[in-house]
Amino acid sequence: GESVGLHLPTLSVQEGDNSIINCAYSNSASDYFIWYKQESGKGPQFIIDIRSNMDKRQGQRVTVLLNKTVKHLSLQIAATQPGDSAVYFCAENIYNFNKFYFGSGTKLNVKP
Amino acid sequence: KAGVTQTPRYLIKTRGQQVTLSCSPISGHRSVSWYQQTPGQGLQFLFEYFSETQRNKGNFPGRFSGRQFSNSRSEMNVSTLELGDSALYLCASSRGRTDTQYFGPGTRLTVL
Repeated sequence: GESVGLHLPTLSVQEGDNSIINCAYSNSASDYFIWYKQESGKGPQFIIDIRSNMDKRQGQRVTVLLNKTVKHLSLQIAATQPGDSAVYFCAENIYNFNKFYFGSGTKLNVKP
Repeated sequence: KAGVTQTPRYLIKTRGQQVTLSCSPISGHRSVSWYQQTPGQGLQFLFEYFSETQRNKGNFPGRFSGRQFSNSRSEMNVSTLELGDSALYLCASSRGRTDTQYFGPGTRLTVL
């Protein structure tokens, strides 16, 4: 199957700092990417998505960057808050195929 | 608008039994996908249904099956349960096959 992996399994940041979570994907045909946040005991929650015709997309306090040359995706969280503590997954999908492949997840710990 | 709902939320079964899990998608969503989440394997795609037809299938044995009804509600069934089937089973719905998937809270299945 396809491979989507994360560089860091655990990331600890200080409250108020910016966080960067990275993701590598292996399928060059993937053209739709999503970041999800999963809190303990809950299902993954959609954060932001990006299609391969874009390099950057911004949401509220979050920015996703896509580098297709090196097949790398990152999620930037500005002014990280305790409520941001969760596991973050990246997912890739080949357009019109609707089969998502998920990375193993990165746990973000926000220290007060 | 109500989110994706899954029932039951928790389930305990013994080896050899079978189980049926239910998923109600967001109103207006026609695509339903199922995932298995375990600490060791992460999120793994089981199958996707759209318009009552299975459109995609992951690498799971035939003991795992599903169906979708005309109202887009979906069920998945696992027969002859094994200890390794213990996991969080997540359902995700999307408006169309290429749209963002929104997850339910999951069903926690424990096989004893």
